[in-house]
Amino acid sequence: ETGVTQTPRHLVMGMTNKKSLKCEQHLGHNAMYWYKQSAKKPLELMFVYSLEERVENNSVPSRFSPECPNSSHLFLHLHTLQPEDSALYLCASSQSRGAIDEQFFGPGTRLTVL
Amino acid sequence: GQSLEQPSEVTAVEGAIVQINCTYQTSGFYGLSWYQQHDGGAPTFLSYNALDGLEETGRFSSFLSRSDSYGYLLLQELQMKDSASYFCAVRAGGFKTIFGAGTRLFVKA
Repeated sequence: ETGVTQTPRHLVMGMTNKKSLKCEQHLGHNAMYWYKQSAKKPLELMFVYSLEERVENNSVPSRFSPECPNSSHLFLHLHTLQPEDSALYLCASSQSRGAIDEQFFGPGTRLTVL
Repeated sequence: GQSLEQPSEVTAVEGAIVQINCTYQTSGFYGLSWYQQHDGGAPTFLSYNALDGLEETGRFSSFLSRSDSYGYLLLQELQMKDSASYFCAVRAGGFKTIFGAGTRLFVKA
């Protein structure tokens, strides 16, 4: 595997379910990000981890819970979601303190909340 | 608030040149990035400008004017495969990146 991978690619869940999204990067980066992408809207930064510490938390509802067990893995735990949470969830990684702010994105998880 | 403005759609013909503008209003600024995203695909990095001026990478160039809070992406010798969405993004401080809503580019034969 190369680059940034995400599983599952598609997820349908009810409002009472609990599920987790997984992201793995094989680039040796030390920063990882979760973004939400909804139609016709800008990518919304949700969380950022640098060296496994959360450094950004953009007023995201508590029904989204991130976890970064090591620099290569990032999870987004989901519980009691709302239909408006349906979106594409993108994971990205970068090398922090680099001269160029280049983020590498995974293919995303298409989430549908019924 | 913090915002980036870019046109929602641009149409051009194969072989032409197209410019996608981006104006920003953010509380901090470290640099302006551009990303390309094909339908169903992941955003991929195109360029980054931290200082004023033009950066050229093959058929793509990116420009920044910090005094005008403005930048653009220039695509030359357009090809059908360039049909995609293009996003500008500002590194506003720390690890905070703010994205524009994207410009949908349609390239016609």
